[in-house]
Amino acid sequence: NAGVTQTPKFQVLKTGQSMTLQCAQDMNHEYMSWYRQDPGMGLRLIHYSVGAGITDQGEVPNGYNVSRSTTEDFPLRLLSAAPSQTSVYFCASSPSLGYGYTFGSGTRLTVV
Amino acid sequence: KQEVTQIPAALSVPEGENLVLNCSFTDSAIYNLQWFRQDPGKGLTSLLLIQSSQREQTSGRLNASLDKSSGRSTLYIAASQPGDSATYLCPNFGNEKLTFGTGTRLTIIP
Repeated sequence: NAGVTQTPKFQVLKTGQSMTLQCAQDMNHEYMSWYRQDPGMGLRLIHYSVGAGITDQGEVPNGYNVSRSTTEDFPLRLLSAAPSQTSVYFCASSPSLGYGYTFGSGTRLTVV
Repeated sequence: KQEVTQIPAALSVPEGENLVLNCSFTDSAIYNLQWFRQDPGKGLTSLLLIQSSQREQTSGRLNASLDKSSGRSTLYIAASQPGDSATYLCPNFGNEKLTFGTGTRLTIIP
């Protein structure tokens, strides 16, 4: 099925550990982005990419790294997990900026 | 800074009623507007996309309108059903990113 696939769905990390959240899309979308969702707050943009090899920071980029080596994949790396990074993470893609976003089902991350 | 306000924050209505959800933006420079629903513990599902040249879009029982001059959008749901219970989001696009409000939590009472 065409869409945005995120793995894993759930993850528990210890403070200081690193990990990579995976995001893949099979719609040949140029634009991909990562958001985090916290209780009582709207989704906030972490990083985004307008195409392979191009990434930029969003609203809350600290503690996260991204790269975009292919059109299909846009992994999000947590360098040294902190309890403040406990959240639900969503990956989204669209064929162009500001048009027709498709979201993945999310990764629920808990840092203890 | 772009902000999105959704009113009401929560709404409970009996099944079968028609209802309207409201969305307003501090920056009236609105491009395409996309309404989503989010079920508890799930991702965002796209409902309607209003392109910048359009004023409204319809899909089944849903109708979304966009007034760019006032920076407002409304989502009209006809003949509501329990399956419509979800949180509804209307992020605005600007400065290369979507800005989200906290949504309207809708509960349809059977």
